[in-house]
Amino acid sequence: NAGVTQTPKFRVLKTGQSMTLLCAQDMNHEYMYWYRQDPGMGLRLIHYSVGEGTTAKGEVPDGYNVSRLKKQNFLLGLESAAPSQTSVYFCASSLQGQKLFFGSGTQLSVL
Amino acid sequence: TQLLEQSPQFLSIQEGENLTVYCNSSSVFSSLQWYRQEPGEGPVLLVTVVTGGEVKKLKRLTFQFGDARKDSSLHITAAQPGDTGLYLCAGEGLRDYKLSFGAGTTVTVRA
Repeated sequence: NAGVTQTPKFRVLKTGQSMTLLCAQDMNHEYMYWYRQDPGMGLRLIHYSVGEGTTAKGEVPDGYNVSRLKKQNFLLGLESAAPSQTSVYFCASSLQGQKLFFGSGTQLSVL
Repeated sequence: TQLLEQSPQFLSIQEGENLTVYCNSSSVFSSLQWYRQEPGEGPVLLVTVVTGGEVKKLKRLTFQFGDARKDSSLHITAAQPGDTGLYLCAGEGLRDYKLSFGAGTTVTVRA
């Protein structure tokens, strides 16, 4: 049982480049989330989705876009990467917004 | 400003000692969760407390939710090196299902 799978695990971008992070879950969860984790700041919610075809902004949405075309997948896009987006990104899913299951993270560096 | 303040930020103790981690807020939460995160991995849920004054025990870990549902503590008895990790508290808002995370407490247990 894979749970929540994130790809890629590591990525280095140059300022201005774009990329997409993929999150896939096999638990038939309705809710999915993207967080970023920075030293001393904990986990901050970027965007989330409460079901297929729906997305909503979290605490720090600027510079990111998301899509939830299929229930099992939640994509996070960076259209024009900035050094401030250097972080570790975590995807999570839950059945009804309570217990969160996290992926193992994507370490992104923007030079 | 973090909605949830965790203290201390870092804690290093000898195997066999006890430790307590605190999670405080001025906001009331419908529930509070504790997660543990190991290097290179996503957070894993340890416990959820939902009732003011509730105490839950998980082997050597004791979790307490404050009477006013604004704060919580995690106590570890006779800590072991396997308890090493980043401990995160997360509060569920009264009006929505989004979690707000504290910045975390890094616990190191020396053998």
